[in-house]
Amino acid sequence: AQRVTQPEKLLSVFKGAPVELKCNYSYSGSPELFWYVQYSRQRLQLLLRHISRESIKGFTADLNKGETSFHLKKPFAQEEDSAMYYCALSAANSGGYQKVTFGTGTKLQVIP
Amino acid sequence: GAVVSQHPSRVICKSGTSVKIECRSLDFQATTMFWYRQFPKQSLMLMATSNEGSKATYEQGVEKDKFLINHASLTLSTLTVTSAHPEDSSFYICSARGGGGAGYNEQFFGPGTRLTVL
Repeated sequence: AQRVTQPEKLLSVFKGAPVELKCNYSYSGSPELFWYVQYSRQRLQLLLRHISRESIKGFTADLNKGETSFHLKKPFAQEEDSAMYYCALSAANSGGYQKVTFGTGTKLQVIP
Repeated sequence: GAVVSQHPSRVICKSGTSVKIECRSLDFQATTMFWYRQFPKQSLMLMATSNEGSKATYEQGVEKDKFLINHASLTLSTLTVTSAHPEDSSFYICSARGGGGAGYNEQFFGPGTRLTVL
């Protein structure tokens, strides 16, 4: 079974401070990991995925297979980063279908 | 990016009635659509996965006879909550994924539908 754990429900940081949103997963095979973001009153949208190895809005995330983690990081938080962040894992289930499992989400609050 | 719409955005119904929610991919063909349910301040819970032209795959614990899913075309999937009860009140979100190469698994999310059953 696949599982995604986001241990923090709320993370408050001051503007300009570094941000790290934690995500750990469990899956026996090779999953794809994603970070989704939901800004206030907006729909969920993809922020980044591990296979792209890109930086979006200053955020990066590295897949650490040894620690089964995919933490989201940004060196300097901005007020507009305040949002709900979901870590997600996509992998084939027993039926052969790609299934996405979401973590419980972390609310990032950037304090001016 | 690709756009997914949902209709209606809000619906209030009486207990025992059925409610249909539509999910459309507006500018791409969605080979797979997903239906999620989100309780207040909780994460998204996958209810079912539907592939165009075939039966939906329901997650464990989701009643297929209560939550009817139809994916009749590459741009439309519908979720019908039959004989709705107050405990079905929730925020229902669909997402769509188009065809793509291996590893391309991005989902595009609709804005959600708030269902309130009185």
